[in-house]
Order: sequence, then structure tokens, then C-alpha cells
Amino acid sequence: SAVISQKPSRDICQRGTSLTIQCQVDSQVTMMFWYRQQPGQSLTLIATANQGSEATYESGFVIDKFPISRPNLTFSTLTVSNMSPEDSSIYLCSVGGRRDTNYGYTFGSGTRLTVV
Amino acid sequence: GQQVMQIPQYQHVQEGEDFTTYCNSSTTLSNIQWYKQRPGGHPVFLIQLVKSGEVKKQKRLTFQFGEAKKNSSLHITATQTTDVGTYFCAGPNSGAGSYQLTFGKGTKLSVIP
Repeated sequence: SAVISQKPSRDICQRGTSLTIQCQVDSQVTMMFWYRQQPGQSLTLIATANQGSEATYESGFVIDKFPISRPNLTFSTLTVSNMSPEDSSIYLCSVGGRRDTNYGYTFGSGTRLTVV
Repeated sequence: GQQVMQIPQYQHVQEGEDFTTYCNSSTTLSNIQWYKQRPGGHPVFLIQLVKSGEVKKQKRLTFQFGEAKKNSSLHITATQTTDVGTYFCAGPNSGAGSYQLTFGKGTKLSVIP
């Protein structure tokens, strides 16, 4: 299965600033997914990042707040913009759904963000 | 939109006892997946079920997919402390060929040694 390197692993940020999270995959993948997981909660899909096209955002998430880049088939970034304490959460990237992984999804190790 | 409900939210068991978590979807699913997330970790894929009534086993874990493909369960026999974590079910979003997953709220398992 794919190996994902996600960074930073954690950060503490001031409100009003922005943080960019990076995910590097060790193989080429068509789609990458970005999730948010608030403490003790489930995973909520933020957006799907396709190489060569605009990301597709889920209801409640907008590009101005969570801009995504997908410059090639192995890399993506998610920026959390103009942060507020409500953005404190774990952010995870994910790839998968392929036959060679029994269609399971692989997650990065996550970025634990605290906004103060 | 699609909803995936999971119960119970928490389960505390004595080591050696069995554990079951249940997942129900508001719509018929083409497949269902199960993930385990250890404390402080990220979700790790366990298995995918596709066929109506399918049952799969992984050592002490037994996964079932309902006949109507709207519910699923994960049963752990004789829990061990290594089973501690949160177990999530996930189904693909509605729509042909959807690759996006909707996750249940998860069941957090605590095992008392």
C-alpha cells in the first residue's frame, strides 16, 4: 500500500494566521482526500484533490478557507487560512480505493493543529 | 445526504470479554469498510465487505455485511489490551463511482486488564 509522509505533525498557531500542511505519497495517485477530525470525533471529508483540476469541496468547506494545491500525482497541500480556535483539529490526508490495497484507504499520520 | 450511524459510542470491557460494534447506513451501500484508530494514531484500514450477507474473519475479528447491504458489524472475540482504540465503519458516498467515504462516528473500545 501507499506510504504517506505528512507534515507538520503538530503546530500551535496564532489566530488570524495560516498554516500549510503537506502530504507526499510514495506512488502516483489520481485522487487525494483531506479530512478533519476534531478531538474524539469522527472524520469529516473536507475536499478531494485531483491533479490538474480544482479541488472539490464538501458542504461546509470553502476554497477561501481551505485552499488546496495538487501540483503533481504524488503531492498535495492543504492550507488552513485565517485561523480561529474553532479550526483546532487534526487534519489528515488520504489516498486509496485501489485494487492492490483491497480498496482500503491509507492515511497520513495527521497534523494536530492548535489555534490560540 | 448519506448518513452512517454507529453504536455504541463507547464500550468498556474486561480483557477476555467479547466486543461488538454496529453500523447502519441510511442508504444501500455498494461496500463497507472498517478502520481502527489507536489512541494518538491515524485510521488504519482493516477490511472491505462487498457482497450481501458476507462474513469475513481476521483472527479474533469477525466482520459481517447485512443482507440488505445497509448494516454491518464487527465482533472481537476475547478482547486483548492491544484491541484498544476507536473502530470506524465507512461507506462510499452516494453516486456511481464515488471514491469519497462517509465515516461513522466510531466506537471507542477500552479494555480493562
